[in-house]
Amino acid sequence: AQSVSQHNHHVILSEAASLELGCNYSYGGTVNLFWYVQYPGQHLQLLLKYFSGDPLVKGIKGFEAEFIKSKFSFNLRKPSVQWSDTAEYFCAVGRDDKIIFGKGTRLHILP
Amino acid sequence: NAGVTQTPKFQVLKTGQSMTLQCAQDMNHEYMSWYRQDPGMGLRLIHYSVGAGITDQGEVPNGYNVSRSTTEDFPLRLLSAAPSQTSVYFCASSYTVSAYSGEQFFGPGTRLTVL
Repeated sequence: AQSVSQHNHHVILSEAASLELGCNYSYGGTVNLFWYVQYPGQHLQLLLKYFSGDPLVKGIKGFEAEFIKSKFSFNLRKPSVQWSDTAEYFCAVGRDDKIIFGKGTRLHILP
Repeated sequence: NAGVTQTPKFQVLKTGQSMTLQCAQDMNHEYMSWYRQDPGMGLRLIHYSVGAGITDQGEVPNGYNVSRSTTEDFPLRLLSAAPSQTSVYFCASSYTVSAYSGEQFFGPGTRLTVL
């Protein structure tokens, strides 16, 4: 079945640590790729997106993601996390008029 | 712009009751969608619409109906509520899904409890 997989369900890091959240998808053909974030008590907002071009995409708040077509992956990275990055992160794939989300990764940053 | 608005914010239903969750957007977006969010399950697509008069099923459509008579509104109907439908429901809209933006703008959600 076509799906979006996020490898880590819960990640705990200290401030200033580097972050990488994995995302793989199983859809063939051309897809649009997204990372959304949900801060505590808030609704989802877009972090970054990839449609075409440079596979390294930069988003808001210092986040970036790399699209590796051969690996069907779109991992999210941040060199140095802050306490305010505590949130739930969702990878999503857009294809055929649908946007399908992964199950999310809860990120907890220790001050 | 108000963006995407949802009403009510909270709702408690008894098993077997029906209700409609309201969603409206003032951005003239063609694409609208409904998701439910459950712990450990992420967001699952219930129904979506690519324009007025057009709707289609998502991943988990059973027990829900939608209609899209105007560009602005996309209500979600629970026909006969079940405890398994206890969830947080999010409505979202987008200029388009398959090209250009694709960014979805989410509403604040409706927290539904079915007893």
